Amino acid sequence: QQQVKQSPQSLIVQKGGISIINCAYENTAFDYFPWYQQFPGKGPALLIAIRPDVSEKKEGRFTISFNKSAKQFSLHIMDSQPGDSATYFCAANRGSARQLTFGSGTQLTVLP
Amino acid sequence: DAGVIQSPRHEVTEMGQEVTLRCKPISGHDYLFWYRQTMMRGLELLIYFNNNVPIDDSGMPEDRFSAKMPNASFSTLKIQPSEPRDSAVYFCASSPTGLNTEAFFGQGTRLTVV
Repeated sequence: QQQVKQSPQSLIVQKGGISIINCAYENTAFDYFPWYQQFPGKGPALLIAIRPDVSEKKEGRFTISFNKSAKQFSLHIMDSQPGDSATYFCAANRGSARQLTFGSGTQLTVLP
Repeated sequence: DAGVIQSPRHEVTEMGQEVTLRCKPISGHDYLFWYRQTMMRGLELLIYFNNNVPIDDSGMPEDRFSAKMPNASFSTLKIQPSEPRDSAVYFCASSPTGLNTEAFFGQGTRLTVV
């Protein structure tokens, strides 16, 4: 059972544009929602994370928006840059659990 | 710290051969995870350890896969015998104790079984 659904599968954005990636989860016990960024040939690395007690978290050009009632969360990349081109994974887990459940990934390409 | 170190970076083997992937977690991290990444199935957790003890191996696909953690600084994932469908990138990750702590991934081992 896929517990975290991610869309779109791929995304092409012009430099300076806004990139938006969406995720939806099923398990209401999830209470931690990180986003990981992966460059080719590298392992995923934590980009930003949110807990459901807040509706938004911003770190530089990256913002997570969280809608607890809809069980959805999204990543917004403002002023997208070619260096942001990577695969982005949303994930979720319960605080007491250790295993992250990952979304299927979004391949982002930012055109110069 | 050098981060999570995996070896080898690339492995090409023939079907039926034994394959051993190695991982050195970040010093002081109590949790170690093995993930597999494929185009079809994305990132899947295979098994994870806490203080060198396997906690959840429900993601291990079948008995051909085994993992060990003989000490806090070393873990192996073994596939015997290997099959072409095992071809994937295998990641090791570690994290410290604490709720919702970050998982630090290694660079992965790209396994190709021909």
